[in-house]
Amino acid sequence: AQTVTQSQPEMSVQEAETVTLSCTYDTSESDYYLFWYKQPPSRQMILVIRQEAYKQQNATENRFSVNFQKAAKSFSLKISDSQLGDAAMYFCAYTAFWTQGGSEKLVFGKGTKLTVNP
Amino acid sequence: DTGVSQDPRHKITKRGQNVTFRCDPISEHNRLYWYRQTLGQGPEFLTYFQNEAQLEKSRLLSDRFSAERPKGSFSTLEIQRTEQGDSAMYLCASSLAGGGNQPQHFGDGTRLSIL
Repeated sequence: AQTVTQSQPEMSVQEAETVTLSCTYDTSESDYYLFWYKQPPSRQMILVIRQEAYKQQNATENRFSVNFQKAAKSFSLKISDSQLGDAAMYFCAYTAFWTQGGSEKLVFGKGTKLTVNP
Repeated sequence: DTGVSQDPRHKITKRGQNVTFRCDPISEHNRLYWYRQTLGQGPEFLTYFQNEAQLEKSRLLSDRFSAERPKGSFSTLEIQRTEQGDSAMYLCASSLAGGGNQPQHFGDGTRLSIL
């Protein structure tokens, strides 16, 4: 079974600084997707960034970028120029590549609570 | 695109009562997922529909849980004879078929509290 591990229950960063959230996963599949979702307090979960496992190039979305190490099964999220609005729970998630069949359900880690200090 | 909507936002009920939640997905999305999120944990998969067909159920979905998506549009999740352990946030998500190329969009969730 696939598992996702986030080893940092909480992280904090000063506004305008850079922070990196860690994620490791375990799978026997070769093709899959990895995601980072953000869940602000009492608000809905939104997609921050995604990475296709077959792509070597790390995904970037504005201030958000990932460091994807397939051999190490590591998928960290870097937030640059942190803003107060970045404060939230961040979840790392995995899904198998759709051609392998199945529901493409997401498997989530336990999350990392990010605090941004002014 | 009005997003995924869930109703109610909060539900408080006594142990042993039945509850039903509703999810309205994004209109063109043919896939619909239910997840459960307990305090301090990430969401856990419960069940999934493609159109009106329920194609996968988690072992977490005991016999007291039932989900439907009668016309391939909205979905309901019913919990019968609620127990303390059912207290959680129930999240609905929808997507187009196509795996990671079609990410799941989440609703605000229904928070269930069992007295």
